[in-house]
Amino acid sequence: DAGVIQSPRHEVTEMGQEVTLRCKPISGHDYLFWYRQTMMRGLELLIYFNNNVPIDDSGMPEDRFSAKMPNASFSTLKIQPSEPRDSAVYFCASSPGQTRTEAFFGQGTRLTVV
Amino acid sequence: LAKTTQPISMDSYEGQEVNITCSHNNIATNDYITWYQQFPSQGPRFIIQGYKTKVTNEVASLFIPADRKSSTLSLPRVSLSDTAVYYCLVGDIRRRRGSTLGRLYFGRGTQLTVWP
Repeated sequence: DAGVIQSPRHEVTEMGQEVTLRCKPISGHDYLFWYRQTMMRGLELLIYFNNNVPIDDSGMPEDRFSAKMPNASFSTLKIQPSEPRDSAVYFCASSPGQTRTEAFFGQGTRLTVV
Repeated sequence: LAKTTQPISMDSYEGQEVNITCSHNNIATNDYITWYQQFPSQGPRFIIQGYKTKVTNEVASLFIPADRKSSTLSLPRVSLSDTAVYYCLVGDIRRRRGSTLGRLYFGRGTQLTVWP
């Protein structure tokens, strides 16, 4: 397996534009997590899914952020409209769950909103 | 949600053993203790997980006292390539809807710098 695949690796966009980040989890993993990492706030959990169903989205900053998981092999995180303070590295991770706390992270998407 | 406290930074030299201690006073009965490693420009990587006593794998050892309110990650004979941020987490992914305890909560981590 190629691991968790995120795209794009880098994204530069103008304030107000819509941004869509994509994630392909490891096949067979039942859990999918979206994290955001900044120097100021560290790694923040935004939302996680279990069997494609959102379980906890309390970390989503505001209504401008939305996440979907239409099937077991694909998830998106959308920001509309984007703002400069959304600039961060966004990580997607997946886990089989049976190992309790072991999750596999993608390489991340570095988002810059200018 | 059980949170963790660990030193912000540590320094060591190549070949030494490094011990990073984490406190988690509010750990729940069903929580596991886990450590992740993160290099710059990469996502965190799972190192080791335990529930109680001692766990050892090819990378590290994890020591957990009986009260489980703290844990110590031990890295034997570190090298320059072990320079990274190390995160201590407590929790269990396998929680159900309506419970916030299913998260994996990352604190600020410990920046370990290994010098030649």
